[in-house]
Amino acid sequence: AQKITQTQPGMFVQEKEAVTLDCTYDTSDPSYGLFWYKQPSSGEMIFLIYQGSYDQQNATEGRYSLNFQKARKSANLVISASQLGDSAMYFCAMSVISSGSARQLTFGSGTQLTVLP
Amino acid sequence: EAGVAQSPRYKIIEKRQSVAFWCNPISGHATLYWYQQILGQGPKLLIQFQNNGVVDDSQLPKDRFSAERLKGVDSTLKIQPAKLEDSAVYLCASSFSGGAVTDTQYFGPGTRLTVL
Repeated sequence: AQKITQTQPGMFVQEKEAVTLDCTYDTSDPSYGLFWYKQPSSGEMIFLIYQGSYDQQNATEGRYSLNFQKARKSANLVISASQLGDSAMYFCAMSVISSGSARQLTFGSGTQLTVLP
Repeated sequence: EAGVAQSPRYKIIEKRQSVAFWCNPISGHATLYWYQQILGQGPKLLIQFQNNGVVDDSQLPKDRFSAERLKGVDSTLKIQPAKLEDSAVYLCASSFSGGAVTDTQYFGPGTRLTVL
């Protein structure tokens, strides 16, 4: 069974500091993708970063980086130099085969990040 | 490039009434998804379309929910009759192909439904 686990319901970080949001996953599929999304209070899910299971290097997108440890089945999101606008809910998700060749996302329960001034 | 469009943004109805949500995906995206997100939880897939065909609707409560994607572009999700437990945010997403590991889903702003 495919599963995403986010063990931190809430996190606080001081402005300008770095923060790591944890994500572990479980799948028997050798080919999968891992995604992080940000959901502000407005409700929209904003795509942040992607990591493929066969990628050799950790993904980076601006202030976001993904610490991918395949053996541990973890895909933690690192946000450097936190800003007040980073306060939001963050979801880790994994792409899995649904039917035929189609894929769909399985989401974790999310981590609410609050950046303190 | 325009993102995923959804309407309405908010809807308040009484139980047993019906409601419909509309979604227009990113141009050129073949796959469209409807999710239900209950407060405090991650989104749960309701239905997935590839062009105008249904790929997966195994988690759609078919006794009250229905969805269609005419001409493989925009889509409508309907609830009839609504129950209190249907109060949630309904998110629409689209992706280019729906089959590749790298395929990224892009989400619309969502519709926040309150059933009284």
